[in-house]
Amino acid sequence: QKEVEQNSGPLSVPEGAIASLNCTYSDRGSQSFFWYRQYSGKSPELIMFIYSNGDKEDGRFTAQLNKASQYVSLLIRDSQPSDSATYLCAVNMGGGSNYKLTFGKGTLLTVNP
Amino acid sequence: DAMVIQNPRYQVTQFGKPVTLSCSQTLNHNVMYWYQQKSSQAPKLLFHYYDKDFNNEADTPDNFQSRRPNTSFCFLDIRSPGLGDAAMYLCATSSSLSYLSYNEQFFGPGTRLTVL
Repeated sequence: QKEVEQNSGPLSVPEGAIASLNCTYSDRGSQSFFWYRQYSGKSPELIMFIYSNGDKEDGRFTAQLNKASQYVSLLIRDSQPSDSATYLCAVNMGGGSNYKLTFGKGTLLTVNP
Repeated sequence: DAMVIQNPRYQVTQFGKPVTLSCSQTLNHNVMYWYQQKSSQAPKLLFHYYDKDFNNEADTPDNFQSRRPNTSFCFLDIRSPGLGDAAMYLCATSSSLSYLSYNEQFFGPGTRLTVL
């Protein structure tokens, strides 16, 4: 069964620190990788996606992908209390339904003032 | 602004009473999805439309049905809601047609369903 695994947390960091969120996936044929932020009671909001090995930066966010290790991460620099949310990793596993995403259960991040 | 809209935002129904949730989009995306999300769980795909083609997930109960009368609208029908169907229902869209797209999905605000 194709799976996406995340540590459920909670991950607690002080304001201004770097938060590191990790995700592993089971299908080596996976093609693209997405990070969503979900505030409590709200819907997921797309933060970033990445499809090539290496780093992709957007403001305070950096996504890192290592396909050989089947690992994708999200770094949040200068963490703010407003970053406190659940972060969902989602993977497009390709194949015949290459527009479907498989979601992890999410990591709860708490940024303490 | 282009967006995904869901109505109602909150829905209360009685056990066994049919309910319909709606989703509309101004993104002109060809793929629309319905997810069910329960507390502290990952969104669970119920079904999706690729253009007019309906695709049901194998483990989606028969109690859940969907309609897509046109590109912009999609409906989720729950024929006989049970207590276990209380959840957040999320509509999402994506485009498989743009060469710039990596099939990223954009979610509506969700409908919170309560079953009494």
